[in-house]
This record gives sequence, C-alpha cells and structure tokens, in this order.
Amino acid sequence: NAGVMQNPRHLVRRRGQEARLRCSPMKGHSHVYWYRQLPEEGLKFMVYLQKENIIDESGMPKERFSAEFPKEGPSILRIQQVVRGDSAAYFCASSPTGTGDNTGELFFGEGSRLTVL
Amino acid sequence: DQQVKQNSPSLSVQEGRISILNCDYTNSMFDYFLWYKKYPAEGPTFLISISSIKDKNEDGRFTVFLNKSAKHLSLHIVPSQPGDSAVYFCAASEGPGGGADGLTFGKGTHLIIQP
Repeated sequence: NAGVMQNPRHLVRRRGQEARLRCSPMKGHSHVYWYRQLPEEGLKFMVYLQKENIIDESGMPKERFSAEFPKEGPSILRIQQVVRGDSAAYFCASSPTGTGDNTGELFFGEGSRLTVL
Repeated sequence: DQQVKQNSPSLSVQEGRISILNCDYTNSMFDYFLWYKKYPAEGPTFLISISSIKDKNEDGRFTVFLNKSAKHLSLHIVPSQPGDSAVYFCAASEGPGGGADGLTFGKGTHLIIQP
C-alpha cells in the first residue's frame, strides 16, 4: 500500500522559469493538502483540494501559484516565474475524508525540494 | 502572527531519561492537536494526537497532555531512545484532519538524544 508519492524529490530552476510539483495521494484518499516549509520554519498550509475542486486556497500566494487535482492523475502545484524566495520544501499530505480519520492525522509525502538559482 | 508556538528550537536529553516537548497556542477555536516527527529529507510522520475533550492521550512511550485553560500541550517520551532524535512539530486544527484550513504547525523542536 503505497504512501503519498511526490515527485520530483529535488528540482532546480532559474529565476523566471516554471516549477511543477506532483503529488499522488494514498490509495483511497481523495483529499489533498499542500504545505510549504521555508528554512528554519514550520510547515505552512497553502491549499486544500478534493478531486476537481479547490476547497481552500487561503494559504496560497495570490500570484504565480496555482494548484489542481484533476479527476485523473496526480495533484499538481505550479509555480510560475519562480523567484529565489520560492526555494523551499513543498510537502503534500492526503486524508481519506475532509475530516481525516479519528486521530485527525494527515499522511505526508517525503516532499519536493525546490531550489531557485 | 504565530498561532502555534514551540519556544525551544532544540532540546538535548540523555538516553533513558524523559523528553518533554512543549507547545503553546493562541487560537481558542483549535480543538484537535497533533504531534509529528520528522527526520531530515523525509516527510513528517504522525506520532500522536489529542482532541480537546481529553486532557491526556497515551500510546506506548509517548504521552500528550493538554491544558486547555493554559492553551498548552506537551509531549512526553519515556524512556528516550536514540531513534527519537528528530524534529518534532506540534500542530493544531479546528477539526480532525485539518478541516478547511489544514493544520497549523509550530516551527518545531529538534530533539537530540545523547547516548
């Protein structure tokens, strides 16, 4: 039973390029969350999606960032025209329902580390 | 404006002793609290949680205590083992699973277990 799969694990981009990060949730999970961890910081909520729907994007920067979770395929976090400040670890998490299981747990992937040169 | 605070960036404990990690929160709407453990270059893994209707939850060597009036929770690990060395994140939400706003995380405490 595969866990949450994220790819690529490491991504290097030059300023102005686009970054695409992919997340396949655990089997049977239809709820996906994206978090960003800046150096020396905790994880910050970005966006919460269900299949084909964005439920809450209150943590997402208004410009250059977008997320989707299509009916088929992984969830994608897209960052256009990247800047150095976008360098961070981006973690995806999934849960079977919007309310998680009885423990309130979210299941995290291993993260995608974006470096902007 | 940090809603979940872990004031100790690091903590060093001798193997076999008790490790106590602390966490404070400011949002009185939080009613689910979780601890995650994170090794370098890996994603966070769930450790233990507690809902606001309880003041204690125990799972093996790990116990979480919640003091709602003080808006404080703590994680006790006893006895501490070398494999417990990791960064521990406290997280909170207004409902299980993160609800619509996801989990709010503290900055983490790096626990180092000394042999």
